[in-house]
Amino acid sequence: GESVGLHLPTLSVQEGDNSIINCAYSNSASDYFIWYKQESGKGPQFIIDIRSNMDKRQGQRVTVLLNKTVKHLSLQIAATQPGDSAVYFCAEKGVNTGKLIFGQGTTLQVKP
Amino acid sequence: DTAVSQTPKYLVTQMGNDKSIKCEQNLGHDTMYWYKQDSKKFLKIMFSYNNKELIINETVPNRFSPKSPDKAHLNLHINSLELGDSAVYFCASRRQADYTFGSGTRLTVV
Repeated sequence: GESVGLHLPTLSVQEGDNSIINCAYSNSASDYFIWYKQESGKGPQFIIDIRSNMDKRQGQRVTVLLNKTVKHLSLQIAATQPGDSAVYFCAEKGVNTGKLIFGQGTTLQVKP
Repeated sequence: DTAVSQTPKYLVTQMGNDKSIKCEQNLGHDTMYWYKQDSKKFLKIMFSYNNKELIINETVPNRFSPKSPDKAHLNLHINSLELGDSAVYFCASRRQADYTFGSGTRLTVV
């Protein structure tokens, strides 16, 4: 069946360090991937996306890498700040479907 | 000017009751969704409507009935609530690849 998963449930980093959050997906037909950030008491918020015809995409302090060969997605956060503390989800969208399939989430804890 | 708004934000109710959660979006999006987030934070799609028409219905008990009176609203009615229905329910809307989520409704069944 379809599934998107994350390798680590919790990631703890020191403020100022870089963070890397990983995700493995199973549906090779998915053509669009999104990273979401969810803060306590709020809904998922869009961080960055990438289409399957790309390997890398950069935003402000964030970079998403896509390795289609091994069906792996990662989110890199540069100079992690306390405000980055949240649960991070990867999600995939299949071709010709609007259904987003979420992974289980990684909790990022930033230590001051 | 909340883009996707859900009411209520918190809902505590007894087993066996019937309750509704409302969702409205002012983004002009054509597609709306309901997602359920369990205690382990796993987000799973329940339903999707496009222009008031049901297009996705995952394996959800028929105690759950979505209703879309117009494309800006997607309400979720739940009959005969069970303890396992306790979760956070998120509404979302979409246009093309732009998804926007509401802030969630925390449902607690006691």
